[in-house]
Amino acid sequence: AQSVAQPEDQVNVAEGNPLTVKCTYSVSGNPYLFWYVQYPNRGLQFLLKYITGDNLVKGSYGFEAEFNKSQTSFHLKKPSALVSDSALYFCAVRDLRTNAGKSTFGDGTTLTVKP
Amino acid sequence: DVKVTQSSRYLVKRTGEKVFLECVQDMDHENMFWYRQDPGLGLRLIYFSYDVKMKEKGDIPEGYSVSREKKERFSLILESASTNQTSMYLCASSHPSTGELFFGEGSRLTVL
Repeated sequence: AQSVAQPEDQVNVAEGNPLTVKCTYSVSGNPYLFWYVQYPNRGLQFLLKYITGDNLVKGSYGFEAEFNKSQTSFHLKKPSALVSDSALYFCAVRDLRTNAGKSTFGDGTTLTVKP
Repeated sequence: DVKVTQSSRYLVKRTGEKVFLECVQDMDHENMFWYRQDPGLGLRLIYFSYDVKMKEKGDIPEGYSVSREKKERFSLILESASTNQTSMYLCASSHPSTGELFFGEGSRLTVL
């Protein structure tokens, strides 16, 4: 079975400061890992993914994430937060063993960036 | 631009009514999914389909059924709506190799 944990329900940062949204995962084999963002009353939008290769992956809107196999983590980061980054963020892991490759999501972390 | 379209953004139904939620994708993806989103519970998979007329139960299929008669269309059916099915419903299709999901805008269903 696969699972994802986002230990923080809420993250608050000041504009211009670095931000980190945490994610840990559990899968039987090698994971595909994803971050998605959701703005109010909208669907989820893809931010970035780790498939293989470099442990640091870069995505949309200046976000990046670091894959750490030993700690089974995939934390989302941004060097300088913007007020417009305020949203709900979901980490997800994909099960490679099934044909459909269904993803399991964490419970989400609400990021609030204050001016 | 790739697109997943959900037919209704907001619906209000009465207990016992039959409800259809429609989803169409234009990316020729084989895999499609229905998720339910509730505060504090994240996204929970209801059903998914990996081909026309093929379907598999997700984590919370009770009270729901699905239909996939054409590759581009995946419908979620609530045979007899109940108040505990009040929720946001999200449809998605996935990239064939990476599994990256493309979501619709969501359908917010209220059952009175």
